[in-house]
Amino acid sequence: ILNVEQSPQSLHVQEGDSTNFTCSFPSSNFYALHWYRWETAKSPEALFVMTLNGDEKKKGRISATLNTKEGYSYLYIKGSQPEDSATYLCAFSFRSNDYKLSFGAGTTVTVRA
Amino acid sequence: DTGVSQDPRHKITKRGQNVTFRCDPISEHNRLYWYRQTLGQGPEFLTYFQNEAQLEKSRLLSDRFSAERPKGSFSTLEIQRTEQGDSAMYLCASSLVAVGNTEAFFGQGTRLTVV
Repeated sequence: ILNVEQSPQSLHVQEGDSTNFTCSFPSSNFYALHWYRWETAKSPEALFVMTLNGDEKKKGRISATLNTKEGYSYLYIKGSQPEDSATYLCAFSFRSNDYKLSFGAGTTVTVRA
Repeated sequence: DTGVSQDPRHKITKRGQNVTFRCDPISEHNRLYWYRQTLGQGPEFLTYFQNEAQLEKSRLLSDRFSAERPKGSFSTLEIQRTEQGDSAMYLCASSLVAVGNTEAFFGQGTRLTVV
C-alpha cells in the first residue's frame, strides 16, 4: 500500500493571509511529486511536477518545495484570495509502479473574504 | 477544447442497473487512467491503458467493473449490477508517456449516484 498523507485535511484562511500545508510520501524509489488544484465542478488542474530533491517551483502566489530524502513536500499560498479556495491534491509516482500516480486525500482550503 | 472530456457529467441510476461512462483523452496521449474518488478520499486508481492495451486493473475492483479502450482512442468504463457503494466521482486522465514525463491531465469526472 502506497501511503500519501496530506495535512491538514482542511483549513480556513482569511483573505490576504498566507498559508502552507504538507504532503508526505514514501521516499524510497521516488520518481516525481505532483500537486493538483481541484475546484468544485472543474477538472483537477496540474500545478507542479517536481522530481529533484530541493526543487522549488512557483506559479504566481503559489509555490512548492520538495524533500525526497525525508519524503515530504510543502505547498505555500502567499496572500490568499477567494479564488484560491479549492482542494489541493498531491500525488507521487515511482518507477517500479510504472509511474502511476498515487494520491493523498487532499487539503481543502477555504479563503474567507 | 482539446482537454480530456468525460460523458455524462452526472448519472443517477437504480441499484442493479448497468451504467457506462465514456472518456475522450487528449488526442496524442498514449496512456489513459481511470480513478474513483469518494468523499474525504483522494482519487483511487482503478485501471489504466497504454494505447489499446489494458495494463493493470486494481485488485480492489470487483468483476462488475470493466473498461475498454478500442483502437487506443476513447475509453469506456462499465459497471454492471450497480450497488450503492459504487456511488462516487469517476475520473479519467490521460498522459503522454515519455522519458521524464509523468504529468497526467484530468477530465471533469462523472458523478455516479446509485439509489
